[in-house]
Amino acid sequence: DADVTQTPRNRITKTGKRIMLECSQTKGHDRMYWYRQDPGLGLRLIYYSFDVKDINKGEISDGYSVSRQAQAKFSLSLESAIPNQTALYFCATSVGEKAFFGQGTRLTVV
Amino acid sequence: QKEVEQNSGPLSVPEGAIASLNCTYSDRGSQSFFWYRQYSGKSPELIMFIYSNGDKEDGRFTAQLNKASQYVSLLIRDSQPSDSATYLCALITGFQKLVFGTGTRLLVSP
Repeated sequence: DADVTQTPRNRITKTGKRIMLECSQTKGHDRMYWYRQDPGLGLRLIYYSFDVKDINKGEISDGYSVSRQAQAKFSLSLESAIPNQTALYFCATSVGEKAFFGQGTRLTVV
Repeated sequence: QKEVEQNSGPLSVPEGAIASLNCTYSDRGSQSFFWYRQYSGKSPELIMFIYSNGDKEDGRFTAQLNKASQYVSLLIRDSQPSDSATYLCALITGFQKLVFGTGTRLLVSP
């Protein structure tokens, strides 16, 4: 089983809909991250969390919210999806020099 | 100013040559530096990390760090077509965020 699991892997949704991307980990790491990736733009940080009570905005948090339900779970929500949120989303955990990525969620907003 | 800057490329090298990938960063408080390789549509995978000034070698890969110049590089010796991928420079900032550059696309031709 994967150490970091993202669900769903692929999702097509309509403009204005609320959608939640989920991430769970079995590593026992405190640090978790959500990134989005667009062609030519690398991985841009949306939100990050150092423990259940510590959640921080990244460089592109507008239009997104997160919930750290437990040490192992970190969910990303798009309250009202828009087409320019179409992207590949990655969840990651880290400890020390090691970061562990989920398989990614490909989200398309039509 | 972006926290991590990379040339997007593509960087084209012939098989067997040395590929040199470069990255600059803005936060002088950054302590840990990483190089990830990412194949199209896949999750990033860590190939090198470096904490101290100087060179660190691992097989065909050498990471170089110069904190005074805020510069990190990755050398790939004896480049192979299978090395063709996007290489992401990443670091942990003084605020303990894990941030990435936009990535450099490397093309190794047979």
